[in-house]
Amino acid sequence: DQQVKQNSPSLSVQEGRISILNCDYTNSMFDYFLWYKKYPAEGPTFLISISSIKDKNEDGRFTVFLNKSAKHLSLHIVPSQPGDSAVYFCAASATLSGTYKYIFGTGTRLKVLA
Amino acid sequence: SQTIHQWPATLVQPVGSPLSLECTVEGTSNPNLYWYRQAAGRGLQLLFYSVGIGQISSEVPQNLSASRPQDRQFILSSKKLLLSDSGFYLCAWSMGRAAFFGQGTRLTVV
Repeated sequence: DQQVKQNSPSLSVQEGRISILNCDYTNSMFDYFLWYKKYPAEGPTFLISISSIKDKNEDGRFTVFLNKSAKHLSLHIVPSQPGDSAVYFCAASATLSGTYKYIFGTGTRLKVLA
Repeated sequence: SQTIHQWPATLVQPVGSPLSLECTVEGTSNPNLYWYRQAAGRGLQLLFYSVGIGQISSEVPQNLSASRPQDRQFILSSKKLLLSDSGFYLCAWSMGRAAFFGQGTRLTVV
């Protein structure tokens, strides 16, 4: 059962335009959501996160939006740069006795075209 | 600042051989520790997590085991590797709401 889904395996965007990466989840117990960026043969790098009590969090060019009723979150990158080309994973966690288990989606490969 | 070390970076092992991957964290105490695997073309699958020394939770039944002999050390092991154990193994730590990953180990079982 895939609790966190990224239905778009790939996305191509022109440099300078907006990149929108989407993620859906099924478990209503999830209360914290994260986005990671991953290059080949490297570990994922934490980008930005959002708590379920918020609907938007912004950090520089990166903004994450959360729609709890739809169980949907998205990552916006504006403006997109060639260095943003990577695989992006969304992750979700549920606080259980203070232990955070991170469930990841399958990733979306973003290609920013110069 | 906190750092995480994972080794080796790459490993080629024959079927039936044992496995030991080690991960250590510096600059923090009593972190939550995690082992993930990324199979080819797949997402990150949580294998094990630990909230303290000797405390291991397994997420997926499989040929692997994990141990935490010290506060900041997490070991992934197997007694006999299978071809299906090939993949990219990632260790991670967390003290709050985000997890931070090591550089990963590419394991190829031949």
